[in-house]
Amino acid sequence: AQSVTQLGSHVSVSEGALVLLRCNYSSSVPPYLFWYVQYPNQGLQLLLKYTSAATLVKGINGFEAEFKKSETSFHLTKPSAHMSDAAEYFCAVSRPSGSARQLTFGSGTQLTVLP
Amino acid sequence: KAGVTQTPRYLIKTRGQQVTLSCSPISGHRSVSWYQQTPGQGLQFLFEYFSETQRNKGNFPGRFSGRQFSNSRSEMNVSTLELGDSALYLCASSLGLAGPTGELFFGEGSRLTVL
Repeated sequence: AQSVTQLGSHVSVSEGALVLLRCNYSSSVPPYLFWYVQYPNQGLQLLLKYTSAATLVKGINGFEAEFKKSETSFHLTKPSAHMSDAAEYFCAVSRPSGSARQLTFGSGTQLTVLP
Repeated sequence: KAGVTQTPRYLIKTRGQQVTLSCSPISGHRSVSWYQQTPGQGLQFLFEYFSETQRNKGNFPGRFSGRQFSNSRSEMNVSTLELGDSALYLCASSLGLAGPTGELFFGEGSRLTVL
């Protein structure tokens, strides 16, 4: 079975500082990985996805993530945090032989951006 | 282009009652998935519909059911409500059977409180 683990349920950074949200996956086959963001009282929005085409994936709002097979990681980064980045972030994995509509999500990381 | 619309946004029920939640996907999207989000269990896949057929089902009891209509709108039903069913229920749509890398577009959710 595939799973993802997000390290750190809460992360606080200062505005302008580097954002690093950690995600490690467990999969017996190459996974397809996603990062979604959820703003308060809203649904989830796709930030970026890894589909094996490139290990460094660029997403929306200045976020990017690097797939590292040797570390089984897919950490999300942004060079400079903005107040509007405050939200909950979810890492997710889909089954390679299955559907992207059946995602397994991590437990989420709440990002706080301090002025 | 209108997004995914879920109704009602908020509702309160008592134990033993049943509830029906509705989801209208983005125009042209034929696949609808449902997820349950709770503080304790996080985001969990409920089921997925495409062309009025259930394609996948998560690990939920039979009290949770759903259906999809010919216009791709979907409903989910929870019977004999329990306190633990209190959650945010998220609907997501996608174009079709896009394999494991397709993007999901989420609605804002229906927040169910069971008293």
